[in-house]
Amino acid sequence: AQSVTQLGSHVSVSEGALVLLRCNYSSSVPPYLFWYVQYPNQGLQLLLKYTTGATLVKGINGFEAEFKKSETSFHLTKPSAHMSDAAEYFCAVSLLPNDMRFGAGTRLTVKP
Amino acid sequence: EAGVVQSPRYKIIEKKQPVAFWCNPISGHNTLYWYLQNLGQGPELLIRYENEEAVDDSQLPKDRFSAERLKGVDSTLKIQPAELGDSAVYLCASKNRDREETQYFGPGTRLLVL
Repeated sequence: AQSVTQLGSHVSVSEGALVLLRCNYSSSVPPYLFWYVQYPNQGLQLLLKYTTGATLVKGINGFEAEFKKSETSFHLTKPSAHMSDAAEYFCAVSLLPNDMRFGAGTRLTVKP
Repeated sequence: EAGVVQSPRYKIIEKKQPVAFWCNPISGHNTLYWYLQNLGQGPELLIRYENEEAVDDSQLPKDRFSAERLKGVDSTLKIQPAELGDSAVYLCASKNRDREETQYFGPGTRLLVL
């Protein structure tokens, strides 16, 4: 069965600094990979996803992630953090179309 | 296009009372999910519907939880009786089964059991 581990439950960066949120997955076959963002008192919003093809995936709000099969990773990055990026971020993995497993989440804090 | 709608957004009840949550998925989405999200954790699947059929309810605590999607559109999740440990956010998501793999989430219902 697939699983996902998010390293660091809380990440704090300064405004304008690089954002790096780490995600590693466990899967016997290449999975679909997702990053979702959750703002306070809201549902999850899709940031980006990897299914097939290009391993560098660009999403909304300037985020991108790279699928690295050899490292079983799908880390989320953004070159320059903005105050509005403060939220909870969830990595998710799916082997089957309807079987999605979420990580525990990483709370991103952006300092002025 | 309207998103996934959930109501109520917040609910406070006393333990042993019943509670129900409602979800209306995105129009045309065959697949509907109910997730449980505990504080500081990611969502965990409770039940998945394909149209009106519950095709995966293996994680649903059936002694107190029930769900229905009678006409294959909106859905209701019920807890009876509620326990203190049921305090959490209940998320609904939907997906177009035939077109893509992305699930779209509603805002959730935050339940507090006192």
